[in-house]
Amino acid sequence: AQSVTQPDIHITVSEGASLELRCNYSYGATPYLFWYVQSPGQGLQLLLKYFSGDTLVQGIKGFEAEFKRSQSSFNLRKPSVHWSDAAEYFCAVGARGGSEKLVFGKGTKLTVNP
Amino acid sequence: EAQVTQNPRYLITVTGKKLTVTCSQNMNHEYMSWYRQDPGLGLRQIYYSMNVEVTDKGDVPEGYKVSRKEKRNFPLILESPSPNQTSLYFCASSSSVEGSGANVLTFGAGSRLTVL
Repeated sequence: AQSVTQPDIHITVSEGASLELRCNYSYGATPYLFWYVQSPGQGLQLLLKYFSGDTLVQGIKGFEAEFKRSQSSFNLRKPSVHWSDAAEYFCAVGARGGSEKLVFGKGTKLTVNP
Repeated sequence: EAQVTQNPRYLITVTGKKLTVTCSQNMNHEYMSWYRQDPGLGLRQIYYSMNVEVTDKGDVPEGYKVSRKEKRNFPLILESPSPNQTSLYFCASSSSVEGSGANVLTFGAGSRLTVL
């Protein structure tokens, strides 16, 4: 079964600074990978996904993520953070050829200082 | 507008009083799922449904029931709620290909349940 680790529970950055949120997965083959964002009081919204092909994927709101097979990682990045990016971010993994189930990490809460 | 609608959004109830959280989607999705979100634990799947009349347990099904009589609806039933079911609940749906993990979920806005 697949699993996901988000090592950072809480990250604080200043507005305008760059951001990297870490995600490591465990799965025997190349998985499907996702990043979702949850703004306060809201449901989860898909930021980006990796299914195959180019390992650098672009998402909404200026986010990107890079799939690194050798490191079993799918880190989320943004070059310049805006105050509106303050939210909780979840990495998720799906199994190829398996069930439709997505396994989510425990989330990273992002605080943005002015 | 394509969406997943959950009701109620907020509910305070007492131990043992049966309740139902409704979930409806207007995207003709085959796959629907319920998650609960707790601080420090992330999202954990309660039940899921591959299609009408097809449901299965997720990781934390104890104390919950579901049904899928129509494609658009997937209610979550707490027959005898207990305080450890106090949580934030999310319904989600997807048009994933059967047998594939390429599951792009659309989430509802969440239902915050408190059991006293």
